[in-house]
Amino acid sequence: DTAVSQTPKYLVTQMGNDKSIKCEQNLGHDTMYWYKQDSKKFLKIMFSYNNKELIINETVPNRFSPKSPDKAHLNLHINSLELGDSAVYFCASSLLRDEQYFGPGTRLTVT
Amino acid sequence: RKEVEQDPGPFNVPEGATVAFNCTYSNSASQSFFWYRQDCRKEPKLLMSVYSSGNEDGRFTAQLNRASQYISLLIRDSKLSDSATYLCVVNGNNNDMRFGAGTRLTVKP
Repeated sequence: DTAVSQTPKYLVTQMGNDKSIKCEQNLGHDTMYWYKQDSKKFLKIMFSYNNKELIINETVPNRFSPKSPDKAHLNLHINSLELGDSAVYFCASSLLRDEQYFGPGTRLTVT
Repeated sequence: RKEVEQDPGPFNVPEGATVAFNCTYSNSASQSFFWYRQDCRKEPKLLMSVYSSGNEDGRFTAQLNRASQYISLLIRDSKLSDSATYLCVVNGNNNDMRFGAGTRLTVKP
């Protein structure tokens, strides 16, 4: 029944590693997003895909690469992890310009 | 100027109080407006959309003032369970949804 799911829920890894976070939605939405929420709790959009096409690409390091194999999935791959990447990453989905539904978040800790 | 600005609070109010949050936005072309609620260590969830004519959902009332570019949320008869962070969200033409930093509310017995 989960509408927007993310895996893993927790991710602890060392600097320099490469990791991926997966996101899936079963709501039939055409738009998916990745957000980063840092220690100050500010929620900032990173990427947005509409029908598998990138429509928003905020100023994030190119170590972050989203991949959308189909409309129901938007995965986030991060290369060469840094301490500053530690945050909670939320996936979300919506119909274009409509309310967004968020996944439970992935708490990434880089040591 | 930030795209979406909110008073971070915290707002500490007793049960039963009425509390109001304001949010200002910079993009005059914005078309969609929402209030989300985020509990500690949880994902944001939609509280209510904000319509031009204003809208009410039980104890919650949202209003939009396009001329002054702000939206508001009024909570009447506060409950302990209303304690959370309230996020103002403004959606621009390109669906670039922008979140405010959030206003933290604590309702005390």
